[in-house]
Amino acid sequence: GNSVTQMEGPVTLSEEAFLTINCTYTATGYPSLFWYVQYPGEGLQLLLKATKADDKGSNKGFEATYRKETTSFHLEKGSVQVSDSAVYFCALTDGYGGSQGNLIFGKGTKLSVKP
Amino acid sequence: EADIYQTPRYLVIGTGKKITLECSQTMGHDKMYWYQQDPGMELHLIHYSYGVNSTEKGDLSSESTVSRIRTEHFPLTLESARPSHTSQYLCASKPPGAVRNGYTFGSGTRLTVV
Repeated sequence: GNSVTQMEGPVTLSEEAFLTINCTYTATGYPSLFWYVQYPGEGLQLLLKATKADDKGSNKGFEATYRKETTSFHLEKGSVQVSDSAVYFCALTDGYGGSQGNLIFGKGTKLSVKP
Repeated sequence: EADIYQTPRYLVIGTGKKITLECSQTMGHDKMYWYQQDPGMELHLIHYSYGVNSTEKGDLSSESTVSRIRTEHFPLTLESARPSHTSQYLCASKPPGAVRNGYTFGSGTRLTVV
C-alpha cells in the first residue's frame, strides 16, 4: 500500500534560516500530497497540498512541489520565524478513490525556531 | 476558525473512571476519524466512521469505543480509564467526495489519567 516517510526531527533553526523538511512517498497510481502543521496545543491544520505531478502547493511562505520522478514532496521556506515553531506532517492519499479514500500521515517533524 | 469541536480540551481523571470525549462537526461530513497522538507526535488511527451507524476500528488497537448516532456527533468512550490511556486525542472529518480535499481536525483533547 501507499506509504510516506519524512525526515526525523527535531529540527532547530535560527530565525531567518532556510528550512527544508524532506518527505518521500511510495504509491500506486497518482496520490494527492499534503503538508499539515500542528502548533503547540492545537490540532492539525492543512498547510498546503498538491494533487498532480509538478504541482506546487504554497501557503504562508511555505512551498512544496510534487515530484513524481523522485517521489518527493519536500517542504521549504526561505526565511523561518519563531512563529513557525510547530510539528509538520506530510501525508498522501491511500490509493482508494472517491469517498472511500483515507489519508496516510508521516510521523511528524518537530521544528523549533530560535530568535 | 474550526468547524469541528472537541470537548473538553483538557481532562485529568482518576483510574477506573468512565469518560466520554466529545467531537462534533457542523459541516455535514460523513466520514469521521479518531486519532491518538503519542508524545513523539506520531498519529495513530484508532476509530473511523463512514456515516450514521457505521463504526470501524483503525490501525491501532484501542480499548475505547465510539458511536455514530448522528452525522455531526462522533463521541469516544473509555469505560475504565487507565494511566496507559494518557494521550492527546484528535478528531477529524472529511468533506464529501474525493479524499484529495483533505481532512479537517479539531483542536484535540489532552487526557491525563492519574
